[in-house]
Amino acid sequence: SQQGEEDPQALSIQEGENATMNCSYKTSINNLQWYRQNSGRGLVHLILIRSNEREKHSGRLRVTLDTSKKSSSLLITASRAADTASYFCATDANDMRFGAGTRLTVKP
Amino acid sequence: NAGVTQTPKFQVLKTGQSMTLQCAQDMNHEYMSWYRQDPGMGLRLIHYSVGAGITDQGEVPNGYNVSRSTTEDFPLRLLSAAPSQTSVYFCASSSTDRGIEQFFGPGTRLTVL
Repeated sequence: SQQGEEDPQALSIQEGENATMNCSYKTSINNLQWYRQNSGRGLVHLILIRSNEREKHSGRLRVTLDTSKKSSSLLITASRAADTASYFCATDANDMRFGAGTRLTVKP
Repeated sequence: NAGVTQTPKFQVLKTGQSMTLQCAQDMNHEYMSWYRQDPGMGLRLIHYSVGAGITDQGEVPNGYNVSRSTTEDFPLRLLSAAPSQTSVYFCASSSTDRGIEQFFGPGTRLTVL
């Protein structure tokens, strides 16, 4: 079974808008990571947040973690067409399980 | 550094054939893993290794074998290919364990007829 579950499955926005993706997981974790996958490519690590952190920033990315709700969110601000990709969360519990991802489309 | 490399990029097999997917990394990473990605399923862990000579099963290990004779290489063997193994296979590595940033290879697209 998958540990991370992303929501929504697909998201379409206009360039310049913000994109928010959510991730829920089932068991206790030490950390949670977000990855991006461009079509036909391998995954690229975006950001890692530890279980004792509530929020983390990296450029236009903002990640939050709520361990009481077992959920995380990824916010991409001022989106660009180049942000079009699939986004995955992964936790370190149970052999680093990935969710099915959120497919983000940013229209120019 | 080349990072994580995988060969071949594409492969077509007939049912029952065997083959080896190659994975190599030049970052001196201890942890390496193999995933398969099917449409709508995300990535599922097949096998992983925490160092040379040490391997273990992941979520979906059946039909696959691995070995880790060196730190750099982590080949994945399909013993007798089945259509259910049609997928995209990714190799990944990280410096210590699976709980930190993993570096992914470009993937191998395998079709089993």
